[in-house]
Amino acid sequence: GAGVSQTPSNKVTEKGKYVELRCDPISGHTALYWYRQSLGQGPEFLIYFQGTGAADDSGLPNDRFFAVRPEGSVSTLKIQRTERGDSAVYLCASSLHSGVEQFFGPGTRLTVL
Amino acid sequence: GENVEQHPSTLSVQEGDSAVIKCTYSDSASNYFPWYKQELGKGPQLIIDIRSNVGEKKDQRIAVTLNKTAKHFSLHITETQPEDSAVYFCAASPGYGGATNKLIFGTGTLLAVQP
Repeated sequence: GAGVSQTPSNKVTEKGKYVELRCDPISGHTALYWYRQSLGQGPEFLIYFQGTGAADDSGLPNDRFFAVRPEGSVSTLKIQRTERGDSAVYLCASSLHSGVEQFFGPGTRLTVL
Repeated sequence: GENVEQHPSTLSVQEGDSAVIKCTYSDSASNYFPWYKQELGKGPQLIIDIRSNVGEKKDQRIAVTLNKTAKHFSLHITETQPEDSAVYFCAASPGYGGATNKLIFGTGTLLAVQP
């Protein structure tokens, strides 16, 4: 079956621009997570959705970052006024429900010039 | 909050030898510990996990052990093969009953299996 998919696979943007990153979770998975992975580091938690609601957004670094999941399936991570320090791989994961195995997508590599 | 430390950062073994990667965690409330394998340019792939009510779990050449008292857990790979070469991450989570079940990751171990 299809796994978690993320688009685009690569995104290059200029400092100050707005970007949207998309995640399609495994069908039927109610829990969805966003993580950010910098070079040589482990993934770092950003935000968690249970259904349509953001149950925990404690990992979002500042108010330039926002995520939505309006229908409880696809999620979009939105970054305003991008900075060079936002450059990283953004990973999405989903699980059948909270507390069980998380399956990751291939990630979106964001480069801010 | 939870903090996970992972050692070693790099590990080189000969094909057929065993590899062991160790992690420690700080939050005694954590009760779910997955291990992920990440190949270059790909997302992390779950290879094995363990919950706090179990001390050891094995799946073919891979095993994980957990010592809740000492708050450490380890990944053991036996009969290593070149295709085992990758970066391995441990993680900890409150698991069932936790607020979010977010994963807190270690810093990774680059495993190189020499043919």
